[in-house]
Amino acid sequence: SQQGEEDPQALSIQEGENATMNCSYKTSINNLQWYRQNSGRGLVHLILIRSNEREKHSGRLRVTLDTSKKSSSLLITASRAADTASYFCATVLISNFGNEKLTFGTGTRLTIIP
Amino acid sequence: GAVVSQHPSRVICKSGTSVKIECRSLDFQATTMFWYRQFPKQSLMLMATSNEGSKATYEQGVEKDKFLINHASLTLSTLTVTSAHPEDSSFYICSARGGETHYNEQFFGPGTRLTVL
Repeated sequence: SQQGEEDPQALSIQEGENATMNCSYKTSINNLQWYRQNSGRGLVHLILIRSNEREKHSGRLRVTLDTSKKSSSLLITASRAADTASYFCATVLISNFGNEKLTFGTGTRLTIIP
Repeated sequence: GAVVSQHPSRVICKSGTSVKIECRSLDFQATTMFWYRQFPKQSLMLMATSNEGSKATYEQGVEKDKFLINHASLTLSTLTVTSAHPEDSSFYICSARGGETHYNEQFFGPGTRLTVL
């Protein structure tokens, strides 16, 4: 079953605007990661935020994590046409065998309108 | 660094045949590899986790006799879809983790699009 749910499912904005995507999850986590997927391609790791962190920045990306609400947000500032993609959050749990197991959210399809 | 490749990128096969997909870590030794399946416009679902030299651990609901996983070396894992049927058509993605610098991060391959006629 899906650990994470993201909203919105789809988002269209004008180039230059900021895009915000949200992710909610249900269980305790070790860390939460955000990935980008261009249509029909593999995943690109964007950013990782640990459970004891509240905010993290990487270039035009800003991620927040609220473990009390079990939610995270990804903000992309000054969006570009190349940011058009699907974005997934993934929560990390430690499995019974000691492996870190990624569980992906439902994803947000972001379209940047030139 | 941390490049993962998959081969083939696309495969079309007839119903009832078997298809093998390869996942390779090109510049690091992957002690653990993961196989995911993604249906159109849906999220990635973990199918199985494989550690080099041991049997794969399958997620609930994934048939291990249908999806054979072999992780024979530290740079190669294979997924064989046996007796494929149209409902097995999907996008299969592997990821790899391991080595001194990549022990806690998964690096994803570009995916393999399987179409079963």
